[in-house]
Amino acid sequence: AQSVTQLDSQVPVFEEAPVELRCNYSSSVSVYLFWYVQYPNQGLQLLLKYLSGSTLVESINGFEAEFNKSQTSFHLRKPSVHISDTAEYFCAYYNTDKLIFGTGTRLQVFP
Amino acid sequence: DTGVSQDPRHKITKRGQNVTFRCDPISEHNRLYWYRQTLGQGPEFLTYFQNEAQLEKSRLLSDRFSAERPKGSFSTLEIQRTEQGDSAMYLCASSPEWEVEQYFGPGTRLTVT
Repeated sequence: AQSVTQLDSQVPVFEEAPVELRCNYSSSVSVYLFWYVQYPNQGLQLLLKYLSGSTLVESINGFEAEFNKSQTSFHLRKPSVHISDTAEYFCAYYNTDKLIFGTGTRLQVFP
Repeated sequence: DTGVSQDPRHKITKRGQNVTFRCDPISEHNRLYWYRQTLGQGPEFLTYFQNEAQLEKSRLLSDRFSAERPKGSFSTLEIQRTEQGDSAMYLCASSPEWEVEQYFGPGTRLTVT
């Protein structure tokens, strides 16, 4: 079955440190990949997406993700996190008109 | 464009009662999706509409669940005879049919006591 795996359920990190949230997918067809962020008691907000073209995609708030076809990965990175980045992050891919989500990674940024 | 809206934001109900949630998509979006998110999990697809037609339903959508989009605009999700296992966040999303990106609403949190 096609799926998305987020290997880390929680990632604690200190403010201004770099962070990587890992995501691996299993799919044998063309892949559209997404990272969504969810703040407490809110819906999902799109952080960034890979549809085609450059394998490195960036968000407006300093996150980036790299599509790696050979490793079937789409890891999310940020070189220096802020307290405000504390949230749940979901990796997802698009499959026949619906999104398939991973189980999420809770990023906790400490001062 | 005010985004996807959902009502209510929170619902507490007793086991066995029926509940109905509403979703208003972004006005020019003809696709509307429902997802369910339980604690500690990612959202799971329930069903989606293109205009007023319900094109796909997940096996998660038991007979107690019914979704409608009668005029191709807002949608309702009804759960009959609620069970404690129905407690979850119900998320609605919309998109134009030519886009793969989906735009999510704030969700309705259901608690069944």
